[in-house]
Amino acid sequence: AQSVTQLDSHVSVSEGTPVLLRCNYSSSYSPSLFWYVQHPNKGLQLLLKYTSAATLVKGINGFEAEFKKSETSFHLTKPSAHMSDAAEYFCVVSEVRNQGGKLIFGQGTELSVKP
Amino acid sequence: ETGVTQTPRHLVMGMTNKKSLKCEQHLGHNAMYWYKQSAKKPLELMFVYNFKEQTENNSVPSRFSPECPNSSHLFLHLHTLQPEDSALYLCASSRGTILSYEQYFGPGTRLTVT
Repeated sequence: AQSVTQLDSHVSVSEGTPVLLRCNYSSSYSPSLFWYVQHPNKGLQLLLKYTSAATLVKGINGFEAEFKKSETSFHLTKPSAHMSDAAEYFCVVSEVRNQGGKLIFGQGTELSVKP
Repeated sequence: ETGVTQTPRHLVMGMTNKKSLKCEQHLGHNAMYWYKQSAKKPLELMFVYNFKEQTENNSVPSRFSPECPNSSHLFLHLHTLQPEDSALYLCASSRGTILSYEQYFGPGTRLTVT
């Protein structure tokens, strides 16, 4: 069965410094992988997705993620954090079953950005 | 705005009440979803509808009853809930149920069961 593990429940960075949010997945198939962001009192918004094309995926707001099959990782990065990046981030893997499937969400990483 | 709206945004109800959550999408999507987001737990998929037909019920208790009258509207009817049902309930929609399709989420309904 597919699963996803976000290695940090909370990450704190200073504004202007790099961001790294770590995600490892387990999948018996070639998975689709996503990163979603949730700002306070808002729904989830897609940052980026990997669907077996280029392994380096660029998303919105300067975020990108690299699919590394050998490491079963899909870490999210951004070169320079902005105050508006403070939010909760979810790594998501698709679970494929005989009929349809569903998305499996990680537990989330809360990103804090200090001035 | 994502094109998915949810009402009400906040709801407090007693265990004997009956209430309904409403979701509407303005994106022309064919699939709609209900998720439950509890504190310190991953999002849990509850129900999936595709072209108004329910395609997934993720072992949800019968005190939660979904309804999808058309592809744009989704309801979650609530009755005799328990305090542990307090959570953020998120609605989402997508073009279809193929897993590479992006899901668009509403802002959620914060439910408190007293």
